[in-house]
Amino acid sequence: GQQLNQSPQSMFIQEGEDVSMNCTSSSIFNTWLWYKQDPGEGPVLLIALYKAGELTSNGRLTAQFGITRKDSFLNISASIPSDVGIYFCAGRPGSGAGKSTFGDGTTLTVKP
Amino acid sequence: DAGVIQSPRHEVTEMGQEVTLRCKPISGHNSLFWYRQTMMRGLELLIYFNNNVPIDDSGMPEDRFSAKMPNASFSTLKIQPSEPRDSAVYFCASSSLRGQGLYGYTFGSGTRLTVV
Repeated sequence: GQQLNQSPQSMFIQEGEDVSMNCTSSSIFNTWLWYKQDPGEGPVLLIALYKAGELTSNGRLTAQFGITRKDSFLNISASIPSDVGIYFCAGRPGSGAGKSTFGDGTTLTVKP
Repeated sequence: DAGVIQSPRHEVTEMGQEVTLRCKPISGHNSLFWYRQTMMRGLELLIYFNNNVPIDDSGMPEDRFSAKMPNASFSTLKIQPSEPRDSAVYFCASSSLRGQGLYGYTFGSGTRLTVV
């Protein structure tokens, strides 16, 4: 089946630093999604991408849909302590709602 | 909007007992997903419904697991009999098939199940 490789597995950074994480797939996806999960809660959608090459921002977050449709990255600029959590990428073969495949997550720790 | 509501938040049960997890999706959402999250396996899709109809249950581990969606506002995931290896956080999520905008899921807060 489809698999997503998300890296890095974990990151330890200083407050104020920029962060970059990515996701690659052996299959083509038509939708890429990035979620954040806080401890004890469910994942929350951060950014959704629908077109190859698309670059979308949400505040300090920027995500891009790779040209090959097999990868995506998420950047966080000027990290703050509340950015701590697990970040998941998810891919979907279609452009509408439907089953998503999730990556294993990147755990981000931000030191004040 | 109250979001996706799951109950209970925590469940501790003895091996062999029946466990029922409940989910109320967001009103108007017509897709519902059950996921299981563990350290070893991450987020695994168990089953999903479109318009109350099960579409893909290939992720359901075995016959001990069953899920129902009797109407658009309620779904259950049942484990009978439960085993210690079923211990995990179970998430319900919903999304909309129609309309513009984001097609991401809205997740509930999860049910943390511990089988002893």
